[in-house]
Parts: sequence; C-alpha cells; structure tokens
Amino acid sequence: EPEVTQTPSHQVTQMGQEVILRCVPISNHLYFYWYRQILGQKVEFLVSFYNNEISEKSEIFDDQFSVERPDGSNFTLKIRSTKLEDSAMYFCASSEAGAETQYFGPGTRLLVL
Amino acid sequence: SQQGEEDPQALSIQEGENATMNCSYKTSINNLQWYRQNSGRGLVHLILIRSNEREKHSGRLRVTLDTSKKSSSLLITASRAADTASYFCATGPPNGANSKLTFGKGITLSVRP
Repeated sequence: EPEVTQTPSHQVTQMGQEVILRCVPISNHLYFYWYRQILGQKVEFLVSFYNNEISEKSEIFDDQFSVERPDGSNFTLKIRSTKLEDSAMYFCASSEAGAETQYFGPGTRLLVL
Repeated sequence: SQQGEEDPQALSIQEGENATMNCSYKTSINNLQWYRQNSGRGLVHLILIRSNEREKHSGRLRVTLDTSKKSSSLLITASRAADTASYFCATGPPNGANSKLTFGKGITLSVRP
C-alpha cells in the first residue's frame, strides 16, 4: 500500500541553523501539507501546497519557513534560522484532488538546541 | 475554547471492553475524521464521517456525528492491547476537500491485557 515517507526521522540542530525536512508524498496525490506537533500538544497545520503554489498557510508559517517541490517526487519544508521553539515533530501529509482524507508520514522529530 | 476537543483526556480499560471517546467542535465543518497515533509515530487515518452523515462503521470502529450538538464519538468495540494509542479527532472546514485539518489535543487510550 502506498505511503508517505519522510526523512530524516530525527534531526538535531543548533539554534540559528537552517534545516530541510523532506517528504515523498503518495505518487498520485496532488495536494501536500505540513503539520507540526510540539511535544504533548496538538497537531497544528502549517501549510498546504498545490500546483507548485502555497494554497493556504497558518500564522505559524512565517518568513522563516518555506516549502518547495524541487522535483516530481519530493516535497520539502525549510526552516531558515531555527529557534528553540521550533522543536517539534513535523508531519507531511498528502491527499488526492477532491478528497478529504489526508495521509500522513511517520514524521521528523526536530530538536533545536 | 478550541476546535476539536476530545474527552476524556485519558482512558484506561481492560482488553475486551469497549472504548468510547468524544470530540466536540465549535465551527461549521464539512467532515470529521479520527486518527490514531502510536507513541512517537505518525498519524494513521481511521475513519471519516461527513457532515450529512450520522453514523459510520468500519470493522470494530463506530463513529457518530451530531452536527446540532457539534460533537462526535468514536467507539472501539472489543478492544485489544494493540489499540493502545492516542486518538485524535480532526475537522475539515466547510469548503470541503483538500483543506487544512484542525486537530484536537487527543485522547490517550490504554488497553490492559
């Protein structure tokens, strides 16, 4: 069964460094999403992406964040200058066009020191 | 108060018993979904119910939706130790498909063998 994959599974970085989190969505899906979950808190929407454009973003998704589909399979989230409060589990998700169900990857646990 | 609040926050039951988890929400929705998260892992989609539906079944899962009360319940029958996980409800906005999901804080279910 096709699934969303994410790399790396864990990343430790120093405050102020740039990180790129990678996702491979399900191949026939056209909509892509990033969510994050700070430890012990709820899952929060960051951004959605369709047709090489951001379709929706939350107030969390400020200028420090960017997303890109660099090729036909990968979908990336870049955090330019990480802060301590960016420490969280980051989930990528994808969905078919016209579908309500989103399929989530296993997540990348980011720790900013 | 937040969109998508589950109760109880934690539930501990014996294997074989039924588990009932509730979710309330504040705004209009197109659909409500339940996801499971095993400790430190990704979100697994369980079941979706649309705003014009009242009840759906999938295997041992039964979900109900009461739009007049803005609430949903997830029933897991004949629970197993493997059902131990966190369960989240997530709502999709009225504009329908491919929109951001708003998650609750989750319910921690422990099933004792």
